[in-house]
Amino acid sequence: DTGVSQDPRHKITKRGQNVTFRCDPISEHNRLYWYRQTLGQGPEFLTYFQNEAQLEKSRLLSDRFSAERPKGSFSTLEIQRTEQGDSAMYLCASSIATLNYGYTFGSGTRLTVV
Amino acid sequence: DAKTTQPNSMESNEEEPVHLPCNHSTISGTDYIHWYRQLPSQGPEYVIHGLTSNVNNRMASLAIAEDRKSSTLILHRATLRDAAVYYCILSQGGGSNYKLTFGKGTLLTVNP
Repeated sequence: DTGVSQDPRHKITKRGQNVTFRCDPISEHNRLYWYRQTLGQGPEFLTYFQNEAQLEKSRLLSDRFSAERPKGSFSTLEIQRTEQGDSAMYLCASSIATLNYGYTFGSGTRLTVV
Repeated sequence: DAKTTQPNSMESNEEEPVHLPCNHSTISGTDYIHWYRQLPSQGPEYVIHGLTSNVNNRMASLAIAEDRKSSTLILHRATLRDAAVYYCILSQGGGSNYKLTFGKGTLLTVNP
């Protein structure tokens, strides 16, 4: 294992469709974060998990967004009824809660809603 | 979250030192200062973090002002691979215990 993996790297979808992204964190990391980044802006926090528990959700995360982390391993982020404003880079990061090593980010999934 | 202020952009020449400033005048006593960078088409990468004392690692040095209202990320010899957006972030805790709130960062251009 060499890092955080995200799949797919790119996704183009029609408005109104549902999409699901997957994140595989570094295996021993118990914390997992989702961020969203639009062009020219820094990443915005969406939600995070410690093991399988979702501990915080941003108010940016509307009812159309849902994230899961079953068994505390990989995580999925689903967007229902996509809108053009959902077009962004979705970034996943993982960390060990008790160590000072910082976050390790994946390369992201770029979503384009047409 | 306490806010940070960074210049929108900076330029440097290859093999010269780079000093990236960050102002955080509303920092609280328990806030850590983190630096991440983001290369084009990649996720952010952890660079360094500190609380009060200056910190050094293989990537960079972090100089923290005595009153903690500002800090400077120092790249000792810039390379073309250091061209990236650099984010200065405050968090209530060290390492990865707390969520990070990113600003717009500083776009560093390195000239050959």
